[in-house]
Amino acid sequence: LAKTTQPISMDSYEGQEVNITCSHNNIATNDYITWYQQFPSQGPRFIIQGYKTKVTNEVASLFIPADRKSSTLSLPRVSLSDTAVYYCLVGAVNTDKLIFGTGTRLQVFP
Amino acid sequence: GAGVSQSPRYKVAKRGQDVALRCDPISGHVSLFWYQQALGQGPEFLTYFQNEAQLDKSGLPSDRFFAERPEGSVSTLKIQRTQQEDSAVYLCASSLARSEQYFGPGTRLTVT
Repeated sequence: LAKTTQPISMDSYEGQEVNITCSHNNIATNDYITWYQQFPSQGPRFIIQGYKTKVTNEVASLFIPADRKSSTLSLPRVSLSDTAVYYCLVGAVNTDKLIFGTGTRLQVFP
Repeated sequence: GAGVSQSPRYKVAKRGQDVALRCDPISGHVSLFWYQQALGQGPEFLTYFQNEAQLDKSGLPSDRFFAERPEGSVSTLKIQRTQQEDSAVYLCASSLARSEQYFGPGTRLTVT
């Protein structure tokens, strides 16, 4: 599975838009990009998945450029409750096992 | 609408003791996964079941780790002769075949 690189941590304030970029230079043709969110003392939770261009759901947007070597998770108007670790994963869609990196720790301040 | 549940939520074991961690998946989910998460790290895959069949156990770190799912529902992860390096959060996830994985809250194991 393709290795991913993302910032270790990010800080933001309530109401701001947060963009977390993930690099995946060795992404394969059949790989999808998936983001998970993890709160303290909880298991990870699926946020969004995409293959190319843009995907949007009620929680976030995922932007994927044409070369697919990176992707950006966009969280609109964050609140304190968005403080969590965000993981970028790359692999075949709905693969049997997930390969997590160290994730990005997002801290939202009032 | 119960999610994945795990028990116990916290377990303290003395080095050398055996422990058993339980996972109750979402009803009807054929796939079940175990992950290990060390402090400050992302989860790492341990093993995977499809119904009662253990299809992948490549992530189990040693032969002290054993998982079973005898009736294709509840699963137990057993760790024999625990060592300090086994201290971690053990996460269970379930899914319909080849779909989004739903994680439980985890069991935090501390080996003293």
